[in-house]
Amino acid sequence: EAGVVQSPRYKIIEKKQPVAFWCNPISGHNTLYWYLQNLGQGPELLIRYENEEAVDDSQLPKDRFSAERLKGVDSTLKIQPAELGDSAVYLCASSFKVGNTIYFGEGSWLTVV
Amino acid sequence: GNSVTQMEGPVTLSEEAFLTINCTYTATGYPSLFWYVQYPGEGLQLLLKATKADDKGSNKGFEATYRKETTSFHLEKGSVQVSDSAVYFCALWVSGSARQLTFGSGTQLTVLP
Repeated sequence: EAGVVQSPRYKIIEKKQPVAFWCNPISGHNTLYWYLQNLGQGPELLIRYENEEAVDDSQLPKDRFSAERLKGVDSTLKIQPAELGDSAVYLCASSFKVGNTIYFGEGSWLTVV
Repeated sequence: GNSVTQMEGPVTLSEEAFLTINCTYTATGYPSLFWYVQYPGEGLQLLLKATKADDKGSNKGFEATYRKETTSFHLEKGSVQVSDSAVYFCALWVSGSARQLTFGSGTQLTVLP
């Protein structure tokens, strides 16, 4: 069974440019998460979806970050415009439902220069 | 609120040495506890978990016991290998309004041959 798939794995962009990350969760998983992991720190939740509904986006910086999960399957996280401080790993994760084991993708490693 | 405190790294051991990585937590409610491992350049993988007091999670020679009285979930392995070199994250999840994994800051382990 395929795991959580993310793309791109690595991205280098100049500040003020937009960037988008894509995630395909494990088949059948209704809950999808986007986490931010800064260097040397643990992941922090940005947004959680249950099916196509964003049920917890309180930690998503809405001035520049947006996310969508239109059909309740794959999801896109966008940053526009990117800032130097956005350099981090963006992790997507999924679970069958809230409370079940959460499985992570390999992450999208962003460098803003 | 919920929080996880891990022993600071980095931790450097010789092959076949005994490993302990300390983890303590505070939680509003009754958490499930997890250890995740992150190998270089990869995403997080679930290593083991425990969902109630006195449960012992185990996998790949690693063990951790859920100690409610000391609010701890220390990770142990009797004989580490070079391939165990990675960053280890302790995490908790509490059902209810939070509904997200709360991670510690991670402990870098390096095993030398």
